[in-house]
Amino acid sequence: KAGVTQTPRYLIKTRGQQVTLSCSPISGHRSVSWYQQTPGQGLQFLFEYFSETQRNKGNFPGRFSGRQFSNSRSEMNVSTLELGDSALYLCASSLDPAGSYEQYFGPGTRLTVT
Amino acid sequence: KNQVEQSPQSLIILEGKNCTLQCNYTVSPFSNLRWYKQDTGRGPVSLTIMTFSENTKSNGRYTATLDADTKQSSLHITASQLSDSASYICVVSDEYGNKLVFGAGTILRVKS
Repeated sequence: KAGVTQTPRYLIKTRGQQVTLSCSPISGHRSVSWYQQTPGQGLQFLFEYFSETQRNKGNFPGRFSGRQFSNSRSEMNVSTLELGDSALYLCASSLDPAGSYEQYFGPGTRLTVT
Repeated sequence: KNQVEQSPQSLIILEGKNCTLQCNYTVSPFSNLRWYKQDTGRGPVSLTIMTFSENTKSNGRYTATLDADTKQSSLHITASQLSDSASYICVVSDEYGNKLVFGAGTILRVKS
C-alpha cells in the first residue's frame, strides 16, 4: 500500500505570495491532518479534515486554510506569505479521526519564504 | 491546560547503550498515548500507541511504558544503534479523540 504523499517536496516563495500544498492520504483513509514544524519547535497542529469537513483547527491565522476532496486528497493554502511561515509542513492520514486512530505521516513539504 | 512535557530535551549516548526518554502529560482523561520517531527532515514514524488500559508495549528494541495514575510514560531504547539518532515525540489524545497534544520532543544522538 502506498504511503502518504506530499507535493511539492520543496518550495521557495517570496513574501506576500500565496502557496498551495497537496497531500494524498493512504488509500481508504478518510482523515487528513496538517502540521507546521519550524526549527526548534514541536509539531504545531493546523487543522484536520474528515470526510471533506474540517473537524478541528489549531491556533493559526486565517491566512492558513485547507480543504479536502471527495477522494480524501487534501490541500492547504497559505496566503500573503510571511518570513515566519518558512517551515516543514507535514500531512498525516488516518483511517478515521486522528485522535482515535494511528496516524501515518508524509515526508513533508519544505517551504522557504524569502 | 492540556500539556505534554518531555525530558530530557536532548541526549547523547554511546552506541550499544540503553536509554530512557520521559513524557509527562496533563491531558485527562485521555484516550491513547503515542510515541513517534522523526529523522531529520522527514515525517514522524509511529513506534507505539497505547490506550489508557495498557502498561507496556514493545516494538523491537523500543519499549514504551505508561502509568496512567501518575500521568507518565517512558520510552526505553535497548542496545542503541547509530540509526536511533532522531527526535522522539510523545503525543496524547484526549478522551474523545478530538485533540492530539504534542510534546516538543527529545533529540537523541547516538555516537560511535
